[in-house]
Amino acid sequence: LAKTTQPISMDSYEGQEVNITCSHNNIATNDYITWYQQFPSQGPRFIIQGYKTKVKNEVASLFIPADRKSSTLSLPRVSLSDTAVYYCLVGPRGDSGYSTLTFGKGTMLLVSP
Amino acid sequence: SQTIHQWPATLVQPVGSPLSLECTVEGTSNPNLYWYRQAAGRGLQLLFYSVGIGQISSEVPQNLSASRPQDRQFILSSKKLLLSDSGFYLCAWRGLALVANTGELFFGEGSRLTVL
Repeated sequence: LAKTTQPISMDSYEGQEVNITCSHNNIATNDYITWYQQFPSQGPRFIIQGYKTKVKNEVASLFIPADRKSSTLSLPRVSLSDTAVYYCLVGPRGDSGYSTLTFGKGTMLLVSP
Repeated sequence: SQTIHQWPATLVQPVGSPLSLECTVEGTSNPNLYWYRQAAGRGLQLLFYSVGIGQISSEVPQNLSASRPQDRQFILSSKKLLLSDSGFYLCAWRGLALVANTGELFFGEGSRLTVL
C-alpha cells in the first residue's frame, strides 16, 4: 500500500485559499487518491477523490500531476468551520476488491478570524 | 439508504475489565467493515478489517479482538482492558462499487472509551 506524507499542521485566515499537499511516491497503477475531513469526536467524511489531473466539486478541488506521486487538496475561501484534520488516502477503490485503508497522521488545519 | 450505527457512544471502564463495542450497518449487503482507533491527539489507527462473515484480519497485534457473526454486524472485544486502550473507536463500512463508485468509507458516530 502506498504510504502518504502530509504536513502535520497548517494555519490560515478566513477567506484565504488553502492548499494541502500529500506525497505518495509509491502509488500503484490502480490506486486512487481520496481526501477525508475529520472534526473532533466525529468520524472522517469523504471530501473528494481523483485519479489524475484535476477534479472539482462543490467544496474542494484536487490537483494530481502526471506522475501521480503527489496531490494537492485546494479549499477555496476557507471559513472557521473548515478547521479540521484532513487526511489523504491512497489505495484501490472498493470495486477493486477487498483492501485495507490506512490513514496517515493527517494535517490539522486551523482557520483563524 | 445506508446507515451505520455504533454503541455505546461513551463508556468508562476499569483496567482489567472486558469490552464489547458493536457496530451494525443497514441498507447494504456484504460490506467491507473496519475498526479504527484514535488516541487523544493522534491519527486513525486501523485495528481490524473484515471482508465477510467470520473473516477478520488484524492490523495491529494487541489485546483486542474482532468478530463478524453476521453480514452487517461487527464487534470489537477485549477480555482485559489496558490503560492504553483508551481512545475513540470508529467503525466504518465500504461497499464494492455499490455506492457512487468511489469506494469511500462511511463512519459511525464513534465510541469513546476511557480506561481508568
